[in-house]
Amino acid sequence: AQRVTQPEKLLSVFKGAPVELKCNYSYSGSPELFWYVQYSRQRLQLLLRHISRESIKGFTADLNKGETSFHLKKPFAQEEDSAMYYCAFGGTSYGKLTFGQGTILTVHP
Amino acid sequence: EPEVTQTPSHQVTQMGQEVILRCVPISNHLYFYWYRQILGQKVEFLVSFYNNEISEKSEIFDDQFSVERPDGSNFTLKIRSTKLEDSAMYFCASSEAGRGFYGYTFGSGTRLTVV
Repeated sequence: AQRVTQPEKLLSVFKGAPVELKCNYSYSGSPELFWYVQYSRQRLQLLLRHISRESIKGFTADLNKGETSFHLKKPFAQEEDSAMYYCAFGGTSYGKLTFGQGTILTVHP
Repeated sequence: EPEVTQTPSHQVTQMGQEVILRCVPISNHLYFYWYRQILGQKVEFLVSFYNNEISEKSEIFDDQFSVERPDGSNFTLKIRSTKLEDSAMYFCASSEAGRGFYGYTFGSGTRLTVV
C-alpha cells in the first residue's frame, strides 16, 4: 500500500533562510504527489502538484524517483509561510489522497 | 475562483444522535470525497463517490457512515449514531477528473464535536 512520510513534525527557520520540508513515499508505480498548505486551521489549499512542475509562492518540489522523495523547498522563507504543510499521494483510479502527518513550519522574524 | 462549500462550520451533537454534514462541490466536478482530521492528527480519507455510488472507502467508513448526493448539487455525509471518537474536522473535496493533474479542491470543513 502507498505510504507518505513527513519525518519532521515541526520546522523552525528565520525569515530569509532557506527551507526544505521533507516528504518520502513508498509506491511501486508512478505516483501523483501534491503539497497542500493549511493556514491556521483554514481549508486545505493546493500548493503544488508534481505533474505540473510549477512554482507557487516561491515554493518548488521535485519528484526524485530514485530516492522516492518529493521535498518542498523555498530559498528565502517569509513569515507568511508559517503554516501546516501536508505532502499527499494520489494514484488510485478514483483519486483518493493519502496524506502525510504534516509539518508545522514556523518562520521567525 | 470556484469553492467547495460546507455547512455547518461547527456542529455540536450528543453521543448517539444522527448528524448530517453538507457539502456543495464545484459544479463541473465529478468526483467527491470526504476526509476527516482528528485534532492533532493527520488528514484521513473516508470515502470517494463517483457516478452516484461509492467508489472507494476506508476502514474508518463503517456502517455508521453513509454518503448521498440527493439533488445533483449537494453531497452529504451522515453519521447514524455518533460516538465521542467521531469528534473531528470533516472536509469535503471535489475533483474534476479524479486524477492528479486537476488537483482536488477542499472545503473549509465542519468541526463536529460529540459530547
